[in-house]
Amino acid sequence: EPEVTQTPSHQVTQMGQEVILRCVPISNHLYFYWYRQILGQKVEFLVSFYNNEISEKSEIFDDQFSVERPDGSNFTLKIRSTKLEDSAMYFCASSVFVPGDTEAFFGQGTRLTVV
Amino acid sequence: AQTVTQSQPEMSVQEAETVTLSCTYDTSESNYYLFWYKQPPSRQMILVIRQEAYKQQNATENRFSVNFQKAAKSFSLKISDSQLGDTAMYFCAFMIGETSGSRLTFGEGTQLTVNP
Repeated sequence: EPEVTQTPSHQVTQMGQEVILRCVPISNHLYFYWYRQILGQKVEFLVSFYNNEISEKSEIFDDQFSVERPDGSNFTLKIRSTKLEDSAMYFCASSVFVPGDTEAFFGQGTRLTVV
Repeated sequence: AQTVTQSQPEMSVQEAETVTLSCTYDTSESNYYLFWYKQPPSRQMILVIRQEAYKQQNATENRFSVNFQKAAKSFSLKISDSQLGDTAMYFCAFMIGETSGSRLTFGEGTQLTVNP
């Protein structure tokens, strides 16, 4: 069964460093997303991406964040200068939009720890 | 803006019994989807069940079913014959239906523990 794959599963980084989280969405999906979940809290939307551009972003997704689809398979989230409060689980998701049959498939997540 | 509320932070149930998790939402949209996601200790998000707002019939997936009350904006999840593997955090989520690539808005989650 096709699945969304995220790497690495766990990333530890120093405060102020840049980090790139990687995702391989399901191959025929056209919509890509990043969500984050701070430990013990709910899952929050960061950004959605379609046709090589951001289609929607939340207030969390400030200038420190960027997304890119550098080739035909990968979808990345970059945090330019990490802060302690960026420590969270980051989920990538992908979907097709079929009226009446919409579902977002999630990856297993990347646990980011900023020290 | 859409909001999703889960008023039960924790619930427990005995194995083989039935449990119902509550969810309410607020929206002015008429076309939308509702979901229940399960997050086990591995923290992966797994889709349990989906409901299209235009469908009056409640969705069912094996032991999981929903009670969708559109007028009341309520979307509860019933788990029948609970199993130990059902122990997880359960999130209710909302998505606008007309716009492709819409975001999911999640509730705060309910931690369900199934006891042997």
